[in-house]
Amino acid sequence: DIQMTQSPSSVSASVGDRVTITCRASQGISSWLAWYQQKPGKAPKLLIYAASSLQSGVPSRFSGSGSGTDFTLTISSLQPEDFATYYCQQANNFLPTFGQGTKLEIK
Amino acid sequence: QVQLVESGGGVVQPGRSLRLSCAASGFTFSSYGMYWVRQAPGKGLEWVAVISYDGSNKNYADAVKGRFTISRDNSKNTLYLQMNSLRAGDTAVYYCAKDRVVIQSYYLDYWGQGTLVTVSS
Repeated sequence: DIQMTQSPSSVSASVGDRVTITCRASQGISSWLAWYQQKPGKAPKLLIYAASSLQSGVPSRFSGSGSGTDFTLTISSLQPEDFATYYCQQANNFLPTFGQGTKLEIK
Repeated sequence: QVQLVESGGGVVQPGRSLRLSCAASGFTFSSYGMYWVRQAPGKGLEWVAVISYDGSNKNYADAVKGRFTISRDNSKNTLYLQMNSLRAGDTAVYYCAKDRVVIQSYYLDYWGQGTLVTVSS
């Protein structure tokens, strides 16, 4: 199975900050990567697919990059509603796997 | 609009069985791959099973292989997860989710609200 490792596990930031979250795959997955946002008690929401494609309706302050084994999610200017937990997920094979999550907290 | 509504969760003793359902609406259910993903209390997301649009292909996480069965009834727009030989480690919120595109992509664009399964004696 492909293992996905996110860093950091948690990060504190302020409204207006630029934040970057990293995801590393245990083997190359080309651009087969998604990012999700989850708020407490809610289902996850798809933000980015194919490593850098913005899902419809998602604000443009979210962006994704990377290919192979190293990927990043960047939020260019944090808004109050962005404080949540973020997960990466590889979609390279028939056994999709998630990263362990990164909790984004208010500083 | 797309809606996915899970049901069937509850408290069950170890070793017993439970069947989850996911009623879909707002899209052509029979054209999309579907997924079950779970989340243990306070933990991250864990993919459980996937089924192709027509039910011909299924895959399972190692943790549930041989115990859980994913199926679908396209005439009823409903996804199922039959869970047998349940263990304490299966305690989680179970989400059903839809593939983003007709050709299966393994990107999940709509999720249900989840149903809680608690395995406890």
